[in-house]
Amino acid sequence: EAGVVQSPRYKIIEKKQPVAFWCNPISGHNTLYWYLQNLGQGPELLIRYENEEAVDDSQLPKDRFSAERLKGVDSTLKIQPAELGDSAVYLCASSLGQNTGELFFGEGSRLTVL
Amino acid sequence: AQSVTQLDSQVPVFEEAPVELRCNYSSSVSVYLFWYVQYPNQGLQLLLKYLSGSTLVKGINGFEAEFNKSQTSFHLRKPSVHISDTAEYFCAVRSSGTYKYIFGTGTRLKVLA
Repeated sequence: EAGVVQSPRYKIIEKKQPVAFWCNPISGHNTLYWYLQNLGQGPELLIRYENEEAVDDSQLPKDRFSAERLKGVDSTLKIQPAELGDSAVYLCASSLGQNTGELFFGEGSRLTVL
Repeated sequence: AQSVTQLDSQVPVFEEAPVELRCNYSSSVSVYLFWYVQYPNQGLQLLLKYLSGSTLVKGINGFEAEFNKSQTSFHLRKPSVHISDTAEYFCAVRSSGTYKYIFGTGTRLKVLA
């Protein structure tokens, strides 16, 4: 069974440019998460989806970040425009959404903003 | 509000020695607890989880953890570490009835030859 797939693995852009990250969760997982991981820190939630509905986006900086999960399967996270402080790893995770379920993570997308 | 504290940012230990990575949490409701491992340039992988029942939980790669409700702790242990255990370890908590996971800041385990 395929795990959570993310792309690109690495992205280098100049500040003020846009960037997008893609995530395909494990088949059948209706809950999808985007996390931000700064260097030396634990993951911090950006947004959580239940199917196609964003049920927790309270930590998403909506002035420059956006996300979508149109068909309730794969998801895209966008930053426009990127700032130097956005350099980090963006992790996608999915779960079955059951009360006892754990998170399954992708390998992450490492963003460097110059 | 929930929070997770990993008291040690780095733990160096010699190969074949035992190790304990500490994790304390705070929550006003019952919780589920998790330990994840992250190898360089990879995502997080589940080591073990506590949901209910026995307070001693065994996971992959010879790791185990003990849930202590009175001390609000969930320390991770391994009796004999290998070089390949060198990685970052994250403790996470989720309150029952929610889907919000809170992660600690991580402990970098470095196993020395």
